[in-house]
Amino acid sequence: KNQVEQSPQSLIILEGKNCTLQCNYTVSPFSNLRWYKQDTGRGPVSLTIMTFSENTKSNGRYTATLDADTKQSSLHITASQLSDSASYICVVSSSRGAYGNNRLAFGKGNQVVVIP
Amino acid sequence: NAGVTQTPKFQVLKTGQSMTLQCAQDMNHEYMSWYRQDPGMGLRLIHYSVGAGITDQGEVPNGYNVSRSTTEDFPLRLLSAAPSQTSVYFCASRRGGWTYEQYFGPGTRLTVT
Repeated sequence: KNQVEQSPQSLIILEGKNCTLQCNYTVSPFSNLRWYKQDTGRGPVSLTIMTFSENTKSNGRYTATLDADTKQSSLHITASQLSDSASYICVVSSSRGAYGNNRLAFGKGNQVVVIP
Repeated sequence: NAGVTQTPKFQVLKTGQSMTLQCAQDMNHEYMSWYRQDPGMGLRLIHYSVGAGITDQGEVPNGYNVSRSTTEDFPLRLLSAAPSQTSVYFCASRRGGWTYEQYFGPGTRLTVT
């Protein structure tokens, strides 16, 4: 069972409109949550990283929220632009264990298409 | 800084052939990883390294080998390519510590026929 679930799987929005992407996770114990933007044919690029004590973080027109109690995060895109067309990936890190990358749980991504 | 670089960008192999995907980073990062990305699935960890000379298996290691002789380079070897290894491969690097940023390379699109 995937430990990180993202919704909606895909959405189409008009340029200039806002949208919100959801990420629910079951990863425990929690260390941090990251949102990445992945343009078609390119590697993911980080938008935000949030730890347990942070409940909101912004990066330009992108604002991420985190509710560690309900294990939910959202990514809000304000005044969307054509360049926002991409896949947005939620990644949750667990603090279990001493070392290793095998504690990162990846969501499947939200595919966003912005149309003029 | 070039960041994380990967070569080649595209590759077509026949079943049974072997090849090496190259990855290099110039940020002096301790941690490096290889992922594969398939349609409808999240990124899956193949192998990772926490420093030169230290590697370990990830979620889907079968059919792949890695080595880390220098901090900068982390090649991924396909021993005997199979159609199931058709995928997009990403290399990533970061500093040690869980809140440090992870940087991804541009990816290698591999097709095995």
